[in-house]
Amino acid sequence: EPEVTQTPSHQVTQMGQEVILRCVPISNHLYFYWYRQILGQKVEFLVSFYNNEISEKSEIFDDQFSVERPDGSNFTLKIRSTKLEDSAMYFCASSELWHPSTDTQYFGPGTRLTVL
Amino acid sequence: DAKTTQPTSMDCAEGRAANLPCNHSTISGNEYVYWYRQIHSQGPQYIIHGLKNNETNEMASLIITEDRKSSTLILPHATLRDTAVYYCIGALGSSGSRLTFGEGTQLTVNP
Repeated sequence: EPEVTQTPSHQVTQMGQEVILRCVPISNHLYFYWYRQILGQKVEFLVSFYNNEISEKSEIFDDQFSVERPDGSNFTLKIRSTKLEDSAMYFCASSELWHPSTDTQYFGPGTRLTVL
Repeated sequence: DAKTTQPTSMDCAEGRAANLPCNHSTISGNEYVYWYRQIHSQGPQYIIHGLKNNETNEMASLIITEDRKSSTLILPHATLRDTAVYYCIGALGSSGSRLTFGEGTQLTVNP
């Protein structure tokens, strides 16, 4: 069964450093998403992306965040200058283009980001 | 997105049916009810979704009341591996739109 994959599984970085989290969405999916979950808190939406453009973003997704589809298979989340409060699990998801039924998002296993 | 209300926690005996309720009295006519689960900080796993009619797949059944103000997710024969946080989410289901996760229900399946 096709799956969303994410690398690395765990990333440790120093405050102020840039990090790039990588995701390989399901191959025929066209919409991509990032969510995060701070330890002990809810899963929170960050951004959705389609056709090389951001479709929707949350108030969390400020100028320090960016997303990119650098090639035909990868989808990345960049955090420019990490803060302690960016420590969280980051989940990538993907979905097919909407059709008359509904569009279901499928999530990857997550990357645990630890900012020291 | 519709606000949903779920019990904080539930227990179920292994092999028995687990019935997880969800209230979504403010759900709009074009919002679907989605169920996801999260096993110990893994990525959320899609279970099932529905609009008006009851739905069944290989994982679960979804029963939606006629007025659509509440629904029940049924795991027919719960196993220990079904221990997880279960989220009920009201969402449009259109591509690119966010899923808004609440606190969910911690289901513990006991041997």
